[in-house]
Amino acid sequence: SQKIEQNSEALNIQEGKTATLTCNYTNYSPAYLQWYRQDPGRGPVFLLLIRENEKEKRKERLKVTFDTTLKQSLFHITASQPADSATYLCASPFSGGYNKLIFGAGTRLAVHP
Amino acid sequence: NAGVTQTPKFQVLKTGQSMTLQCAQDMNHNSMYWYRQDPGMGLRLIYYSASEGTTDKGEVPNGYNVSRLNKREFSLRLESAAPSQTSVYFCASSEVTVRGTEAFFGQGTRLTVV
Repeated sequence: SQKIEQNSEALNIQEGKTATLTCNYTNYSPAYLQWYRQDPGRGPVFLLLIRENEKEKRKERLKVTFDTTLKQSLFHITASQPADSATYLCASPFSGGYNKLIFGAGTRLAVHP
Repeated sequence: NAGVTQTPKFQVLKTGQSMTLQCAQDMNHNSMYWYRQDPGMGLRLIYYSASEGTTDKGEVPNGYNVSRLNKREFSLRLESAAPSQTSVYFCASSEVTVRGTEAFFGQGTRLTVV
């Protein structure tokens, strides 16, 4: 069955360092992958989308890569700040619908001063 | 700019009771979704609606029904609530644009079934 998986362990890093989060998918080939940020008690907020024919996408301090050979997307936050602390979710379309989105379990990021 | 509005924000039900979670969006989006979120499980898709008048099962549809009343509204019904349905429920909507597809989420409904 189709699976989209993220490292469930929390990631703790020091302020100013680069955070790297991983999203792996199995048994399908998504047309795109998305990354969302979720703060406690709130709904997820869209950050970036990368299509299967794009290797890398950037937005300010954020960078996303998409490796169709490894079936993996990496999400980087450079010069991380305590305000970046949140849970980050990856998402992709599910079978039967270009917009039918399924999500990974999310990775909690904690940036320490 | 309301975006996606869910009601209620909190609800406690007794086992066997029924209720409907309401969702409305004002962005003229075609696609709407219902997800549930449990600790350690991430968001799991319950039902999806690609457009008005269409609905499709997601990953965990058992115990739920949905209605896409019109383009704006997508409701989720629990006919006979069970403790396993204790969760946070999120409604979302999306549209394909030149920037791609991004989903907008409501603030969530925290449901407890006792």
